[in-house]
Amino acid sequence: QVQLVESGGGVVQPGRSLRLSCAASGFPFSSHAMHWVRQAPGKGPEWVAVISYDGNTRYYADSVKGRFTISKDNSKNTVFLQMYSLRVEDTAVYYCARPPSYYDIFYPLDVWGQGTTVTVSS
Amino acid sequence: EIVLTQSPGTLSLSPGERATLSCWASQSVSRSYLAWYQQKPGQAPRLLIYGASSRAAGIPDRFSGSGSGTDFTLTISRLEPDDFAVYYCQQYDTSPFTFGPGTRVDIE
Repeated sequence: QVQLVESGGGVVQPGRSLRLSCAASGFPFSSHAMHWVRQAPGKGPEWVAVISYDGNTRYYADSVKGRFTISKDNSKNTVFLQMYSLRVEDTAVYYCARPPSYYDIFYPLDVWGQGTTVTVSS
Repeated sequence: EIVLTQSPGTLSLSPGERATLSCWASQSVSRSYLAWYQQKPGQAPRLLIYGASSRAAGIPDRFSGSGSGTDFTLTISRLEPDDFAVYYCQQYDTSPFTFGPGTRVDIE
């Protein structure tokens, strides 16, 4: 079945880096854009980044631009979120998510992972 | 950036009642690229509505969406116990693909 499984979360000090992974299965990963969305404790979802199906187009939220990098390895069916210069306000559950359409970035998100928790604290 | 505002913040209703949730955008969402999600505690959001009015796969027909431009509405015709949750709108017309702050639907 269609599945997304995130990993790589943990506790990290401010200013440090962390890389999240999201392993996909059950669908043609190389044909889909992929997103990261985060949710701070007690808050609503915040969209973070998207990468196109072929990795050639990437968009970021202003809050992470220049600090986070999204990438995609179609040979491994995995999307990554490399996070640098982490801040306390980056503390959240991070979800990867997939739009239902092939190739299109501008679509809603119909498949979500279970999330991985990132805590930034000294 | 398109800022989404949702109202009310909390809606207290009884099972069987009708729920009307609103989402306003700070600028026009072209192509009606507006989605609604339901979220329950400890779970990821679940897509309900896309394109402002199209139901996602497997979503019951008591959920309906309407609107265009800057004003959008999610209606739950008859609340069932499983519908008490938080609902978010999201625009996917323009990056960043922003979410609204949510409306909590509580049991009265």
